[in-house]
Amino acid sequence: QQNVQQSPESLIVPEGARTSLNCTFSDSASQYFWWYRQHSGKAPKALMSIFSNGEKEEGRFTIHLNKASLHFSLHIRDSQPSDSALYLCAPTGGYKVVFGSGTRLLVSP
Amino acid sequence: EAAVTQSPRSKVAVTGGKVTLSCHQTNNHDYMYWYRQDTGHGLRLIHYSYVADSTEKGDIPDGYKASRPSQENFSLILELASLSQTAVYFCASSGQISNERLFFGHGTKLSVL
Repeated sequence: QQNVQQSPESLIVPEGARTSLNCTFSDSASQYFWWYRQHSGKAPKALMSIFSNGEKEEGRFTIHLNKASLHFSLHIRDSQPSDSALYLCAPTGGYKVVFGSGTRLLVSP
Repeated sequence: EAAVTQSPRSKVAVTGGKVTLSCHQTNNHDYMYWYRQDTGHGLRLIHYSYVADSTEKGDIPDGYKASRPSQENFSLILELASLSQTAVYFCASSGQISNERLFFGHGTKLSVL
């Protein structure tokens, strides 16, 4: 049974700051590692994913993955107020897709 | 972009009543999921399906049934609704396991009184 934990639960950062969100998982057979973003009152939407150890950058967003440590993270450079949302991680490896409990990010102008 | 449609958008139900939430996708996706989200929290998996006429239990299946009569349709049934089932329910679909993203419906806000 996949156990997914996210930290911190919430954080507030000033506009322009670098933000780091963490996700740990228990199933070492996980193959793909997703981050989703959910703005208030909206449906979750996939942000980006990674499948091999290392890092992947897309614009202001970077994912780091360390499979041996059962950990991956999302880093946001130059955080914007529009980045304020609930961030959900989902390590996947089969039919069953389980999410973490989320990190609520507030970027203050 | 892939389309997932949920109905109704919101519903008020009475304790002990039966509630059916519907989900329809037109993406030819094999995998469909039902999640519940309590205010300010993450998504918890209720039921999922990877083929028509078959469903699987997720992490919190108690009090819920699911039905997948066709590839396009996936329903969530609350036979005896309870106050604790007040939440927002999201349906999602994906084309393949693991390497494809989930596409979510807009959610159904259920209030049980």
